[in-house]
Amino acid sequence: KNEVEQSPQNLTAQEGEFITINCSYSVGISALHWLQQHPGGGIVSLFMLSSGKKKHGRLIATINIQEKHSSLHITASHPRDSAVYICAVFRGGADGLTFGKGTHLIIQP
Amino acid sequence: DAGVIQSPRHEVTEMGQEVTLRCKPISGHDYLFWYRQTMMRGLELLIYFNNNVPIDDSGMPEDRFSAKMPNASFSTLKIQPSEPRDSAVYFCASSLWAARFGEAFFGQGTRLTVV
Repeated sequence: KNEVEQSPQNLTAQEGEFITINCSYSVGISALHWLQQHPGGGIVSLFMLSSGKKKHGRLIATINIQEKHSSLHITASHPRDSAVYICAVFRGGADGLTFGKGTHLIIQP
Repeated sequence: DAGVIQSPRHEVTEMGQEVTLRCKPISGHDYLFWYRQTMMRGLELLIYFNNNVPIDDSGMPEDRFSAKMPNASFSTLKIQPSEPRDSAVYFCASSLWAARFGEAFFGQGTRLTVV
């Protein structure tokens, strides 16, 4: 079983819809990252969370440490939000990240 | 700063050849990470450096892989000899702090194809 599980794997939605991507992890962590990978391949860090909630523009990320779960929400989705969204956790013992397999999001106009 | 710079962007090589991937981290970042991305396994940490010193190389798949960081502005990942199963996108990332504290900045990746 992967240490980091994301759902759904694939998501297609219409422009304007509210999007939720989920991430569950099975190890103790100090921080969780949400990354965005564009169709061209570049990876951008969206959020780093250790507790609570963060908001940036139309993106909101939440984390529940007790339940080992995080969600990424996109409000008023737009075709330019189409990308792969990757959840990654910092696990004890190593300073690198352990990644989920990603959620492939397509927003149709 | 131009961000994390990787070269080459694409590499096609024949099985058995040596491949060297290069990375220039963001100036002032103390941490440098090498990751590999495949369809089957997603992103995986291979090795990371702190202040030019390799800290954890447990993700390096086998002895054919080696990484160096001779100075704060340059790192290489070498595969010798290369095999078709090494085909993947290799990302370099750097960060000011450990992953527990701050975000990592990724390069554009090197897409390696071993035929």
